[in-house]
Amino acid sequence: GAGVSQSPSNKVTEKGKDVELRCDPISGHTALYWYRQRLGQGLEFLIYFQGNSAPDKSGLPSDRFSAERTGESVSTLTIQRTQQEDSAVYLCASSLERGADTQYFGPGTRLTVL
Amino acid sequence: QKEVEQDPGPLSVPEGAIVSLNCTYSNSAFQYFMWYRQYSRKGPELLMYTYSSGNKEDGRFTAQVDKSSKYISLFIRDSQPSDSATYLCAMSWTGANNLFFGTGTRLTVIP
Repeated sequence: GAGVSQSPSNKVTEKGKDVELRCDPISGHTALYWYRQRLGQGLEFLIYFQGNSAPDKSGLPSDRFSAERTGESVSTLTIQRTQQEDSAVYLCASSLERGADTQYFGPGTRLTVL
Repeated sequence: QKEVEQDPGPLSVPEGAIVSLNCTYSNSAFQYFMWYRQYSRKGPELLMYTYSSGNKEDGRFTAQVDKSSKYISLFIRDSQPSDSATYLCAMSWTGANNLFFGTGTRLTVIP
């Protein structure tokens, strides 16, 4: 079946602009996660959704970052007033249930802020 | 101190070699241990999943967990050029909301 998909695959933007990153999880997966992967660093947790609710937003680095999920499916990560330090690969993952269960990752969106 | 430490490498080995990849961690609450493989410009894919201490083997891959030492390993036997990728260790506990990742080790297998 289809895996996790993300769009766009690449995004180049100017400092100060807003960007939206999209994630389509595996159908039927109730849990959805966003991670950030900076060059040479491990994956950094951003936010977790259970259904359409986000019980854990502890990883969001600033109030410029927000995310939503609708229909227990698609999720959008929005970064407002982008900064150069936001440049990274943003990875989305989904799992059948919460937490330590197997997480399946999408290919990521490579964001470059000029 | 990071919760999960992993030598970033890079590591280069000849084809057919045995590869050993390792991570250490500080949080004794971790119960689940995973290894992900990430090819260039792709998302991580799950390679091995182990619960608690012990060994798990899958083909050429063996995962070991030593909770007493807070140390996990991934062994790759008869390494192939197609094994060239970044290997990420990850871990978590029951009820956690996310996985905790190492920085990844970049492996190159030379034909």
